[in-house]
Amino acid sequence: SQTIHQWPATLVQPVGSPLSLECTVEGTSNPNLYWYRQAAGRGLQLLFYSVGIGQISSEVPQNLSASRPQDRQFILSSKKLLLSDSGFYLCAWDRTGKGYTFGSGTRLTVV
Amino acid sequence: QQPVQSPQAVILREGEDAVINCSSSKALYSVHWYRQKHGEAPVFLMILLKGGEQKGHDKISASFNEKKQQSSLYLTASQLSYSGTYFCGTDVSGSNYKLTFGKGTLLTVNP
Repeated sequence: SQTIHQWPATLVQPVGSPLSLECTVEGTSNPNLYWYRQAAGRGLQLLFYSVGIGQISSEVPQNLSASRPQDRQFILSSKKLLLSDSGFYLCAWDRTGKGYTFGSGTRLTVV
Repeated sequence: QQPVQSPQAVILREGEDAVINCSSSKALYSVHWYRQKHGEAPVFLMILLKGGEQKGHDKISASFNEKKQQSSLYLTASQLSYSGTYFCGTDVSGSNYKLTFGKGTLLTVNP
């Protein structure tokens, strides 16, 4: 069966520090991968999606970046965090017609 | 364009019914429905594809009116476990790669 792993679960980082969140999927190959951010009252905002290794599409211009170094690995990064980067970050993968499966999420607080 | 969900919140007693609506200003290829418990990741409920179909499982069902660009989620004989925030996600591109989520509907089921 397919599983998705995301870590860490919680993170408190100072403003200006770097960020690296990792997501891996098991049990499938060539999945579509996504990074979403959820802020209170704003639903789920698509940040990046990837349909293959090295293929990244950005939806929102900001100081975040994403990379897909391996087929089932998706990484969200930042060189310098802002206060506004705080939120609940969710990685997801999908199979066409079967909906998205989300990871357990990372709650990031920038202080 | 973010779909509009209504109502924003609803409170039910166990056994009562509820309807959650999702409207888009653009033509839709598909609509996804998810439920999120507090502090957890969203969980996929169902997907409705272009064609106006209605789907369901157990006592949760949904309809999709592509002419009106609307979808509705029906919860009948609600249970305590139905509590959570319900999100619709819409695909306007046909690629399934860029779901846009509504702000969510908070459903509370009381004994």
